[in-house]
Order: sequence, then structure tokens, then C-alpha cells
Amino acid sequence: GAVVSQHPSWVICKSGTSVKIECRSLDFQATTMFWYRQFPKQSLMLMATSNEGSKATYEQGVEKDKFLINHASLTLSTLTVTSAHPEDSSFYICSARHRGGIYEQYFGPGTRLTVT
Amino acid sequence: QKEVEQNSGPLSVPEGAIASLNCTYSDRGSQSFFWYRQYSGKSPELIMFIYSNGDKEDGRFTAQLNKASQYVSLLIRDSQPSDSATYLCASGRAGGFKTIFGAGTRLFVKA
Repeated sequence: GAVVSQHPSWVICKSGTSVKIECRSLDFQATTMFWYRQFPKQSLMLMATSNEGSKATYEQGVEKDKFLINHASLTLSTLTVTSAHPEDSSFYICSARHRGGIYEQYFGPGTRLTVT
Repeated sequence: QKEVEQNSGPLSVPEGAIASLNCTYSDRGSQSFFWYRQYSGKSPELIMFIYSNGDKEDGRFTAQLNKASQYVSLLIRDSQPSDSATYLCASGRAGGFKTIFGAGTRLFVKA
């Protein structure tokens, strides 16, 4: 149980285009989903927290107009990177907090984004 | 600023030895504590959680919690080369607070 999927697992896009990443909790309902970014050999960096039906809460320094987050249901959240630039190339990982759990998070497998 | 502190390592242990990973946390309101394992190029995987003082064992893993000292540890017995990874310590609490992650400790198990 407690499986989180992400799609796509990797994507290459051209500078200036937008990319959407989906995150789904497959066998549980997630009250809260999180989006992280991780550069090579660096720590996880929390980008934003989203609750179903509410606007996402972004961490300081993360541009909300560039990284659009939608949490449409208790099992689906999407991250759209708008007008992508090469510096947005990174490993994007979502996680979901189990409803009724002990605040543990389950991570998706991640999406590797390369902007050319 | 609520923090979870870990030694970045690397921690190197020989195969078959006990690996001891430690972390401290600053938020006394933290209620649950988690250990995640992250292999290079992969996402974190939850391996243990603990919320009561004392020890919790699961196979070769033992999590230890001391709330008075604000200290959490993970022991890996009979370490294997496949245990080589970065181990993330995290704390969580109720009320919509986000989980706080440490920066991780890199573990190398030498064959």
C-alpha cells in the first residue's frame, strides 16, 4: 500500500515551453501533497504544499506564477513549469501525506526535467 | 526556524557491521519521526517511523527516540553494500505543519 505515482518519469523540453507533471496517490487518499526539487548531490528542497481544493502554499523564493500547482482531488496534484529555462532542469519529486496517518509522507518516483 | 540536524557524513562501515545514524530536532512539538532511504538518482523511500520514546525494531533496522534529548537514531544491523544510500531523518506534527527533513547522512557499506 501507500503508492504514489508520477508521470512522466523524465521529460526533455525546449526553453520557453511549459511542462506538466502529474502526481497520483494510487491506493490512499492524500489530504496534502508536496512538491520538491532536488539538484544533483543536494538536499531535497520543498517548493510548495497543496491541500485538496485549496491554493498551494509556496516556500520563500519559489515563484508561484512559474510553478503552477493544482490539487484537484484527494488523489491528484499537478505541477506545471511555465516558460521553462535551462536552470529549471532538475529532479522534481512529489509526495503525499496519508489521510488519517501519523503525518508520514510517501514519495513518488520523481520526474527528471531537462530544458534545452 | 524548526530544524532537523544530521551529520552529512559520509559514514563508512564494513559489511556485517552495525551502522548508527543520528539526528536531532529543535521543535519540541514534533510528534512523529521518520527515516527515509534515498538511493542516488532515486526518490526517498520510507523505511521506519517512530512516535513513542524507546526503541522500535523492524528486521535489521531499529529506530530509537528520546524526546527529552530531542534525539532520534537509526541502527542498521548486519549492514550490506545494498544499504549504501543517503538516509533522511524527518519530523512531523499535527495541525497542518509540514514535515521537516534533515539534509541526510550518506552511508557507505564496504564489501
